[in-house]
Order: sequence, then C-alpha cells, then structure tokens
Amino acid sequence: DGGITQSPKYLFRKEGQNVTLSCEQNLNHDAMYWYRQDPGQGLRLIYYSQIVNDFQKGDIAEGYSVSREKKESFPLTVTSAQKNPTAFYLCASSFSGQVTDTQYFGPGTRLTVL
Amino acid sequence: QKEVEQDPGPLSVPEGAIVSLNCTYSNSAFQYFMWYRQYSRKGPELLMYTYSSGNKEDGRFTAQVDKSSKYISLFIRDSQPSDSATYLCAMRHDMRFGAGTRLTVKP
Repeated sequence: DGGITQSPKYLFRKEGQNVTLSCEQNLNHDAMYWYRQDPGQGLRLIYYSQIVNDFQKGDIAEGYSVSREKKESFPLTVTSAQKNPTAFYLCASSFSGQVTDTQYFGPGTRLTVL
Repeated sequence: QKEVEQDPGPLSVPEGAIVSLNCTYSNSAFQYFMWYRQYSRKGPELLMYTYSSGNKEDGRFTAQVDKSSKYISLFIRDSQPSDSATYLCAMRHDMRFGAGTRLTVKP
C-alpha cells in the first residue's frame, strides 16, 4: 500500500534534549512537508522540501532542522532551542511543489516535553 | 487579521442534519481550496478539492467557493455519527489552513 508513515506515534522528551521524528513515503512524491498543529490553531508550516538535498524554511522554522538525503525520507529534528515543542507534528507529501498539487498527510507524531 | 478564519466550534448536530462549515480568507492570491477531515489523533485526509467559484459535489459532501466574497463552505447532507471529526479548510497559493471546526453528529 502506498502512503506516508510517521514514527513514533507518541514521543516524550526531557527539556534540553534533541529528538528526531521520522517521516517516510512510498508515493514517489518529490515534495515533502512538516507541519505543527496546536489546539485551536491551524497547521503551521515548519519546513518543506521540493527535491532531494534541498529544503526551505516555513513560517516557524526556528528550533527545528531537517534533512532530505533520500526522496522517500524527510526527518525532522526538534532541537533544545525550540521553546515550546509540545505539539502534534504532521508530515505531508505531494507529487511536486506546485500549487495545484494535493498534499497527503501521515498519521502524525505527538511530542510531549516533560 | 489571520489569512484564513474558521470558527472552531464545537458544532453539535443530530444525525441526519445538514451541516454547514465555513471559512473566510483575506488573500486574493488563493486559487485552490481544499477541505480536510481529521479524526482525533489522526492525520488530516483530503475530502474535497476545488479551484473555481461555484459548487462541487461528491456524494453527501458539497464544496462551495465564492471568490468575490472570499468565502468557502462545506455542506454535509444526511450527516452520520461517523462524520464526527474536525474539518479543516485549506487554500493555496502557499498553503494556509484554518484552525478547524470540531463537529459532533449525535445518533
């Protein structure tokens, strides 16, 4: 089955620690995205990548980092510099980065900082 | 002012009711409009995608776009308990989401 997988589903982190969230897709999509979702707020774009080895900051990139070494994978690292990291993180992908493309979402990772 | 405004609800209706969900936007560059459904603790799934002003129907769902008023709607006919979820409007140009409306359909 084609789709987007995210792991882990739940993640707990102590303050001051970096943590990496996994996102893998087998849809052969070029573009991948990371969003953050907080209660009462819309999804906010953290980073996006339209092609391997290239990525751009979204609206709230501070305290996060990404890599895109493979087409299928777009891991997100939440660093200790992110002041309020507790949130629901969603990865998405689309065929390309064109505005006409539909984004498809993974199941999400809920990160809690203790 | 937010680029996309969506009433967060919650909205509670009896089974079989017609549901109307709405978003307004301020950026006239938005050309593509989507509705996503998100069940609790899950990722959003695409329900409807539309480009032009007017109505688009898919089963019990109708998406309506009024570009002149910068207003989009999603109508759900014969609502079912399984429709209970949060509904997110989204629009591009660059991707922008509404905050989501939480809907509960009571049996």
